[in-house]
Amino acid sequence: EVQLLESGGGLVQPGGSLRLSCAASGFTFTKFAMSWVRQGPGKGLEWVSGISSSGGTTYYTDSVKGRFTISRDNSKNTVSLLMNSLRAEDTALYYCAPETYFFDHWGQGILVSVSS
Amino acid sequence: EIVLTQSPATLSLSPGERATLSCRASQSVGRYLAWYQQKPGQRPRLLIYDASDRPSGTPARFSGSGSGTDFTLTISSLEPEDFAVYYCQQRSDPMYTFGQGTKLEIK
Repeated sequence: EVQLLESGGGLVQPGGSLRLSCAASGFTFTKFAMSWVRQGPGKGLEWVSGISSSGGTTYYTDSVKGRFTISRDNSKNTVSLLMNSLRAEDTALYYCAPETYFFDHWGQGILVSVSS
Repeated sequence: EIVLTQSPATLSLSPGERATLSCRASQSVGRYLAWYQQKPGQRPRLLIYDASDRPSGTPARFSGSGSGTDFTLTISSLEPEDFAVYYCQQRSDPMYTFGQGTKLEIK
């Protein structure tokens, strides 16, 4: 059974930083690219960032480029998202998911709140 | 960036009726389009991938069609548990985008 467990969320002031982590199990982690998708309160889904299976290539949506950094540790089956210079509009539930041109498995999500 | 536009924003129907949801892409995505269902407080659930393929577990009343820029999700006969928000999603290498969602509500 595929399991994805996000952690590291919380309340942070504007301009602050958080590091999200996602522990994956139940599939061959090293064969899959991974993504972070977020959902603001009462809003739709927004793809945030992705990383190739090797970790050698990363991708970001324009609104987070230069502020967020995605990484992975294939020895620990984890993917992380370092979020700097956080803004109120980054407030959302963040999901990690393996990619196969679509997302057939999702974690339970982790809440990030950016507020003073 | 490819933009996905879903219509209508809200669809009000009764159980037993047929639902037709639309997703239009700003440029061709081939058949790389997926549909998700999301109920309040739950994570999204993949319903359809590659425009028309159903994962195991998706009921046969859900069907997808289309290619290029115009796609449709059809629910042949609505069950009470189908009332939810539906999103389409595409991949244009290497980025993904989602539509803004269609809320399917009970009339």
